[in-house]
Amino acid sequence: DTGVSQDPRHKITKRGQNVTFRCDPISEHNRLYWYRQTLGQGPEFLTYFQNEAQLEKSRLLSDRFSAERPKGSFSTLEIQRTEQGDSAMYLCASSWDRGEQYFGPGTRLTVT
Amino acid sequence: AQTVTQSQPEMSVQEAETVTLSCTYDTSESDYYLFWYKQPPSRQMILVIRQEAYKQQNATENRFSVNFQKAAKSFSLKISDSQLGDAAMYFCAYRSANAGGTSYGKLTFGQGTILTVHP
Repeated sequence: DTGVSQDPRHKITKRGQNVTFRCDPISEHNRLYWYRQTLGQGPEFLTYFQNEAQLEKSRLLSDRFSAERPKGSFSTLEIQRTEQGDSAMYLCASSWDRGEQYFGPGTRLTVT
Repeated sequence: AQTVTQSQPEMSVQEAETVTLSCTYDTSESDYYLFWYKQPPSRQMILVIRQEAYKQQNATENRFSVNFQKAAKSFSLKISDSQLGDAAMYFCAYRSANAGGTSYGKLTFGQGTILTVHP
């Protein structure tokens, strides 16, 4: 297994456009997490899935954000009507139950 | 809500020397986990060391060890025999161990400490 992968690695978009990111977790992991990291700060939790069920969402996840994990495998994070404040690194992590979370390389979003 | 504070934005150390990174946290829970993660420049975050709150013994992983003071809510990381490859941003993180706890499953991170290693 090659670990957690994320696509794309970089995304530049214009304000108001929609963007979608993909995360492929480690195959046997049942939990998947999304975090957001702004420059020079620690990651902040956005949401997490156990299998296909979305069990927790942060208040940071506004109505413009939606995440899915169909079939309990890969996950997508969509941001609608992007704003400049959405510019950040979006990190995905996966784990088996309460085990160690393994992080992907992240998707860096720049909103111009 | 749980909070994690790293009061040292930057630290530096000479190669082969020892450095200690500080972390304090606030929680009302009695059962939790604490972690140190390393994030090298433009590379993904990896786990350095983990401590269970119910264990009194401090965790150790090769050159990395922690000083866990539960009553003081302090969790520092000591890196011995520092190497150039240790240069990175280090994050302290908290996770609840209680099912149904307010942060169950998710990690709460501090602001990070940038560690520079001088040859």
